[in-house]
Amino acid sequence: GDSVTQMEGPVTLSEEAFLTINCTYTATGYPSLFWYVQYPGEGLQLLLKATKADDKGSNKGFEATYRKETTSFHLEKGSVQVSDSAVYFCALRGDTGRRALTFGSGTRLQVQP
Amino acid sequence: DGGITQSPKYLFRKEGQNVTLSCEQNLNHDAMYWYRQDPGQGLRLIYYSQIVNDFQKGDIAEGYSVSREKKESFPLTVTSAQKNPTAFYLCASTELVTGELFFGEGSRLTVL
Repeated sequence: GDSVTQMEGPVTLSEEAFLTINCTYTATGYPSLFWYVQYPGEGLQLLLKATKADDKGSNKGFEATYRKETTSFHLEKGSVQVSDSAVYFCALRGDTGRRALTFGSGTRLQVQP
Repeated sequence: DGGITQSPKYLFRKEGQNVTLSCEQNLNHDAMYWYRQDPGQGLRLIYYSQIVNDFQKGDIAEGYSVSREKKESFPLTVTSAQKNPTAFYLCASTELVTGELFFGEGSRLTVL
């Protein structure tokens, strides 16, 4: 079945550092890929998405490119802020079957001033 | 404002009791979902519904039940058969075409 693997956290960075959170997936066909962010005690918010190979999703300085050849969707940001501290989830939605999102285990990011 | 409302935000339950978590959406979305989140783990799908009066089991449906009598409502009952119900429960909805999930704020259930 479909699955998503994320790098384990926590990831601890200083403000203005470069961020990469790795995400790889296993799925048949052509899934859509998503990054969600969760702040403490809240639900998840969509950060960005990509629906086909080579698409780049971007939002709030974050970017991720859908790489079908490496089955990856790594999240990047050039300069993190303290306010980016949260848990980040990579997810996929298959193009067949139940159409529900399958999530990775999440990566906690801590940004220090 | 459109969105998803979950209630209650916090709930305490004694062992052996059933409890129902509410989820209401005014986004006119067709599909609704319940996920469970445990510390250090991703979200696991409990149940989902793509249309009124129809729902399917997700990956961890045992010990849970749902109903979908109205498009905007998808309540989740955590029954006494659920062996380890303490968790954070998230409700979500989506249009079937885009697949982008919109989440509620979550309900934290603690079994005493």
